[in-house]
Amino acid sequence: AQSVTQPDIHITVSEGASLELRCNYSYGATPYLFWYVQSPGQGLQLLLKYFSGDTLVQGIKGFEAEFKRSQSSFNLRKPSVHWSDAAEYFCAVEEVYGQNFVFGPGTRLSVLP
Amino acid sequence: KAGVTQTPRYLIKTRGQQVTLSCSPISGHRSVSWYQQTPGQGLQFLFEYFSETQRNKGNFPGRFSGRQFSNSRSEMNVSTLELGDSALYLCASRQGNTEAFFGQGTRLTVV
Repeated sequence: AQSVTQPDIHITVSEGASLELRCNYSYGATPYLFWYVQSPGQGLQLLLKYFSGDTLVQGIKGFEAEFKRSQSSFNLRKPSVHWSDAAEYFCAVEEVYGQNFVFGPGTRLSVLP
Repeated sequence: KAGVTQTPRYLIKTRGQQVTLSCSPISGHRSVSWYQQTPGQGLQFLFEYFSETQRNKGNFPGRFSGRQFSNSRSEMNVSTLELGDSALYLCASRQGNTEAFFGQGTRLTVV
């Protein structure tokens, strides 16, 4: 069955430290890949997406993600975390563009002052 | 440009009742999808509507239904509510080769 995994349920980092959130998927072909962020009680905001081409994609708020086909991974990174980055992060995939997303379970990020 | 608007934001219902949630997509967006978010199951796809037709459906019982109007606004209905239906219901709209834009959700509590 198609699935998306985010191995880390909760991550805590200090403000200013670097961040990497992991995402792995199991699909036959390369799906369309997304990272969304959700603040408490809010909807989802797109951080970045990968459809094809350059495997390193830049997003909003200083985030980037790298697609690695050999590892079926799409990890999210940020070089220096800000307190306002504390939120829940979801990796999502679409096997066929325009169909429904399959979301990972999410990683909750806490930021220490 | 206004974002995706979901109403109401909060709702409390009693077991056995039915509920209707509304979603107004971004102007020009013809695709509307619905998702259920719970702490135990995470984000799960309910269904997607495009030009008033249901295009995709997730694995939910028939108590969950939806529709889309000619102006692309969508409603979802849940009949015979159960305690386990308590969740944040998110709506997303998209148009062509764009990303999905999510509303802030409707928090449904079933007591």
